[in-house]
Amino acid sequence: DSGVTQTPKHLITATGQRVTLRCSPRSGDLSVYWYQQSLDQGLQFLIHYYNGEERAKGNILERFSAQQFPDLHSELNLSSLELGDSALYFCASSGGGPNSPLHFGNGTRLTVT
Amino acid sequence: AQSVAQPEDQVNVAEGNPLTVKCTYSVSGNPYLFWYVQYPNRGLQFLLKYITGDNLVKGSYGFEAEFNKSQTSFHLKKPSALVSDSALYFCAVFNTDKLIFGTGTRLQVFP
Repeated sequence: DSGVTQTPKHLITATGQRVTLRCSPRSGDLSVYWYQQSLDQGLQFLIHYYNGEERAKGNILERFSAQQFPDLHSELNLSSLELGDSALYFCASSGGGPNSPLHFGNGTRLTVT
Repeated sequence: AQSVAQPEDQVNVAEGNPLTVKCTYSVSGNPYLFWYVQYPNRGLQFLLKYITGDNLVKGSYGFEAEFNKSQTSFHLKKPSALVSDSALYFCAVFNTDKLIFGTGTRLQVFP
């Protein structure tokens, strides 16, 4: 068990809808990362927050947004969903910096129909 | 841009034989390199990292990796493969507040 909790585990929704994915980091970790894993795109970095502030952004679509709250949990919001957004979304946490390995949750599997 | 490449989509090896999963990197400055493993329907698990120091890094589950600066490689190795090692393996490089992953290599260990 990595100590990172992601909810929900599965999500099925229709095109055009909006969903929120939630992540609780390991106790003491200040950094939260979001990744998207799909069969044809591999593991794509979306965004990184450190102690509530955005630190890095990847190829995250404008329809996607994220935030990290004062209690350090994070939410990833996906709106105007398209079929191509169907994927596994992972959250990972770390203590911060290149020396600290990322610890991954088990992911949220999003299916857009 | 900093990146890693995993040239093999799949590696097949017989149980008990040594295994190697290849990774090459392209970075400016000192590389921060990692290996992760992913089992079905699970998140990635950290195996080992190279930050600085010894070129041979030992990690979890008997895995090790050899950092080779001249060949810009960071290959994952294990002296004797187990069937339970069958999984998806990712090489990664830390670059400016983000961890960038390779495309992954599926390791299949046959009994």
